[in-house]
Amino acid sequence: NAGVTQTPKFQVLKTGQSMTLQCAQDMNHNSMYWYRQDPGMGLRLIYYSASEGTTDKGEVPNGYNVSRLNKREFSLRLESAAPSQTSVYFCASRKASGNTIYFGEGSWLTVV
Amino acid sequence: AQSVTQLGSHVSVSEGALVLLRCNYSSSVPPYLFWYVQYPNQGLQLLLKYTTGATLVKGINGFEAEFKKSETSFHLTKPSAHMSDAAEYFCAVSGIGNQFYFGTGTSLTVIP
Repeated sequence: NAGVTQTPKFQVLKTGQSMTLQCAQDMNHNSMYWYRQDPGMGLRLIYYSASEGTTDKGEVPNGYNVSRLNKREFSLRLESAAPSQTSVYFCASRKASGNTIYFGEGSWLTVV
Repeated sequence: AQSVTQLGSHVSVSEGALVLLRCNYSSSVPPYLFWYVQYPNQGLQLLLKYTTGATLVKGINGFEAEFKKSETSFHLTKPSAHMSDAAEYFCAVSGIGNQFYFGTGTSLTVIP
């Protein structure tokens, strides 16, 4: 039972490079989320997708774009990476409002 | 709008002592409340959740939390701390919508 799968797990980027974090869930969940985790700041919502075909900004969307490719997949793209985007990124999903949210294992991104 | 405040970014307890991690929430609608645990270099795992019904919620690993509407609190407790409880703990709130808000986390240290 894979749950929420994120790739890559580790990545080092140079300032200005672009990359895409991939996320897939096999639980037939409707909603998917991207969070970033920074020391002392908890988890901050970047973008979420309430259902296939919809995406909405969270607390910290600047510098990121997302695509809800289908019900299973939700990708996060950094178009021009900046050192401030060095963080741990978590993808998550849940079936519906009020339900438990399930997390992937995280992606460690360093921008130098 | 919903938000979560966790009081105390670091808590230390002796092995065998009571664990109390504090969480207060703000919500304009009846909230769904959650506690998650994060072990080093891992994603977040659900400890327990409150949706409706009984206000005292029991979770995994001997943890429990009580929903107190009058105090807008959802504090996490465990009668006797184990070394394996050392981790980061996050309180979260979700309302009717699709957003899911986390507190900034409390790092629990267990002293042998």
